[in-house]
Amino acid sequence: RKEVEQDPGPFNVPEGATVAFNCTYSNSASQSFFWYRQDCRKEPKLLMSVYSSGNEDGRFTAQLNRASQYISLLIRDSKLSDSATYLCVVSTGGFKTIFGAGTRLFVKA
Amino acid sequence: DGGITQSPKYLFRKEGQNVTLSCEQNLNHDAMYWYRQDPGQGLRLIYYSQIVNDFQKGDIAEGYSVSREKKESFPLTVTSAQKNPTAFYLCASSRSHVSSYNEQFFGPGTRLTVL
Repeated sequence: RKEVEQDPGPFNVPEGATVAFNCTYSNSASQSFFWYRQDCRKEPKLLMSVYSSGNEDGRFTAQLNRASQYISLLIRDSKLSDSATYLCVVSTGGFKTIFGAGTRLFVKA
Repeated sequence: DGGITQSPKYLFRKEGQNVTLSCEQNLNHDAMYWYRQDPGQGLRLIYYSQIVNDFQKGDIAEGYSVSREKKESFPLTVTSAQKNPTAFYLCASSRSHVSSYNEQFFGPGTRLTVL
């Protein structure tokens, strides 16, 4: 079993749709959780950290479920510019940070 | 502007050559990292450094070497011992390795191709 697993997609959605990604992790000692966005042939960019209480940043909402060991990302009112690969990242603290392989999203007009 | 720079953007290497990838940050971050990314895979950690003059092997360090002589610089050398070096190399930094401050920020990457 991979330490961090994501559905690779692709998710194809129309503009304005709501789309959700899930990510599961295997290490119950994990402490920090993040979502990154990566455009084609570019570097990953931090989208948001994920806190136990859940957090929202505009159209993006992230949630953490420690009991079931998964995190989620919800994107509302999808824009064409949201098309990218979304990376789930989990850290057990220190330098042990695991990057998921990513979920590809295509938003179409 | 604060950030992380990597050079070159593209690099071509002949078999048997060593090449060095540059990574510089002006964010005053203590921790720095090198990853490689292959198509369809997650990032894999090559080396990391917590502080100047200290660095540790990551999951795939064989065939690579690093140095950390200055806080802002963390160059990576891909040696001829690395059998499959063609990949996208990403440098990152974080304020610290402590979990509250370990959000990583990435440079634009270097694409290395072996001819």
